Amino acid sequence: GDSVTQMEGPVTLSEEACLTINCTYTATGYPSLFWYVQYPGEGLQLLLKATKADDKGSNKGFEATYRKETTSFHLEKGSVQVSDSAVYFCALSDLEYGNKLVFGAGTILRVKS
Amino acid sequence: KAGVTQTPRYLIKTRGQQVTLSCSPISGHRSVSWYQQTPGQGLQFLFEYFSETQRNKGNFPGRFSGRQFSNSRSEMNVSTLELGDSALYLCASSLETGDHTNFGPGTRLLVL
Repeated sequence: GDSVTQMEGPVTLSEEACLTINCTYTATGYPSLFWYVQYPGEGLQLLLKATKADDKGSNKGFEATYRKETTSFHLEKGSVQVSDSAVYFCALSDLEYGNKLVFGAGTILRVKS
Repeated sequence: KAGVTQTPRYLIKTRGQQVTLSCSPISGHRSVSWYQQTPGQGLQFLFEYFSETQRNKGNFPGRFSGRQFSNSRSEMNVSTLELGDSALYLCASSLETGDHTNFGPGTRLLVL
């Protein structure tokens, strides 16, 4: 079945450092790809998404590009802030298997001032 | 417009009891999906309802069930609770298939 693999955390960075969180996927169809963020004690917030190959999703300084040839959707940000500290989840949705999300394990990001 | 709401936000039950959680989708959304989040298993899909019909189901035992009402509000029920059912239960609503934008704040269930 479909699956998502994320780099293990926690990732600890200093403020203004560059961020990359790796995400690769396995899917038989043509999935849409998503990044979600979860702050402590809260639900999930959609950060960005891409629905087809070579699409770039972007929001709040974060971006990720749907790379079909490498089955990847890495999350990047040029300069992180302390407020970016959260758990980040990569996910896919393949409509061949219904309207559901398959999530990666999540990556904890800690940003120090 | 109001977002996805879930009630209650926190719940404590004991083993063997049953529990019902509620999710009110964004107005006009007809699809409601449920997910379980635990430290060990991560985020897992439970089921999806669309126009009062279960359209998709994850790999959970029959103790987990749900339903959707004509106003699109959804409930999920867990019977004969086990310690391992302690989790954050998240609900998401969608206007269209493939739109996974809107999640609720979750209901945190603790089973003692």
